Amino acid sequence: QSALTQPPSASGSPGQSVTISCTGTSSDVGAYNYVSWYQQHPGKAPKLMISEVTKRPSGVPDRFSGSKSGNTASLTVSGLQAEDEADYYCGSYAGNKFVFGTGTKVTVL
Amino acid sequence: EVQLVESGGGLVQPGGSLRLSCAVSGFTFSSFWMHWVRQAPGKGLVWVSRINSDGSVTSYADSVKGRFTISRDNAKNTLYLEMNTLGAEDTAVYYCARDWKLPDYWGQGTLVTVSS
Repeated sequence: QSALTQPPSASGSPGQSVTISCTGTSSDVGAYNYVSWYQQHPGKAPKLMISEVTKRPSGVPDRFSGSKSGNTASLTVSGLQAEDEADYYCGSYAGNKFVFGTGTKVTVL
Repeated sequence: EVQLVESGGGLVQPGGSLRLSCAVSGFTFSSFWMHWVRQAPGKGLVWVSRINSDGSVTSYADSVKGRFTISRDNAKNTLYLEMNTLGAEDTAVYYCARDWKLPDYWGQGTLVTVSS
């Protein structure tokens, strides 16, 4: 099972928006609406930010939003804040397995 | 409060074995599927294995199939990962995660280092 493809890095100034793509195949991202996004700060455990493509868990700011078109899912962070600087990973079910993206480092300039 | 606490990591020689545990609290463990996910130093997240709520259905990444075994004890609220024939490529922080349609809550991880 190959990892989902994400850009290695993305950046924006405070207050700006950044969008991260997550490209899979018709066997994973394209097949299911079970796509998630995780935020990971250095030395910390991943934190769920988006579930089922678009759903924000309780406590996640509404600055975070998700979408999907075909085999590609996207995470948008609006109104960037310093604390948003972190690694972001997408994930998707692929049959009876789960697959993560390659990860994107978001830098707040 | 949902809590997952991994333990059992450490230094092991190539070809050796190790059993990881994940003790959970704050939710009805027996109702949830569970995952193991690993992250090599400086690398990304890699899914390892999943088990259903009563332990009767399991799945594995190709890289660990035949070497790793996931199991659970619902009476003890504990998830396990038995790892055999370990190699340098298995060096990583191992996380357990609860599954609610997708991995949602995660533990803090336990480090496994395979080295002579």
